[in-house]
Amino acid sequence: TQLLEQSPQFLSIQEGENLTVYCNSSSVFSSLQWYRQEPGEGPVLLVTVVTGGEVKKLKRLTFQFGDARKDSSLHITAAQPGDTGLYLCAGGDRDDKIIFGKGTRLHILP
Amino acid sequence: AAGVIQSPRHLIKEKRETATLKCYPIPRHDTVYWYQQGPGQDPQFLISFYEKMQSDKGIIPDRFSAQQFSDYHSELNMSSLELGDSALYFCASSLGRRGALGGYTFGSGTRLTVV
Repeated sequence: TQLLEQSPQFLSIQEGENLTVYCNSSSVFSSLQWYRQEPGEGPVLLVTVVTGGEVKKLKRLTFQFGDARKDSSLHITAAQPGDTGLYLCAGGDRDDKIIFGKGTRLHILP
Repeated sequence: AAGVIQSPRHLIKEKRETATLKCYPIPRHDTVYWYQQGPGQDPQFLISFYEKMQSDKGIIPDRFSAQQFSDYHSELNMSSLELGDSALYFCASSLGRRGALGGYTFGSGTRLTVV
């Protein structure tokens, strides 16, 4: 069974600080995706990374896929209250469905 | 742009009742996935359909069934509801079985409360 471990589970920081959240697995994934979810809403896709070592930037968010395609990180620069939410990493498995990690709950204090 | 539409948004049922959740994928998307998300939990895969055929199945109770229709919309039928079935149910769609590469587009979910 392919599992994704996310850390930290909870993170509360001040506005303007930088942060990194991690997504790790012992399995290789064909792709890794990051979603952000607001309470009571569906997850919204932020990025998909496919190639080992790939780095993608989305404004203040930087996503990296590990060289071995087993892990990924999300770095947020100068966090803002609007970044608050549940960040889910998800991996594409051999059967082409997506498996989710348990998420990192991020709270940015104004 | 059109998104994934789920209905109803909220549903309250009593134990042992039946519920039907509907999902309308993005136009031209032929693949639909259903996920269940309990309070404070990550989404758990239930079942998926590609071109109206079941393509994959997760841990889904025998009391649940689903199908995809000719217009590609999908319905999740849940019978003999239990309190533990209370959760957010999300539907996602993709074009072809490429969700793992292209990412899914999720609907806003149906919040089912069993009382």
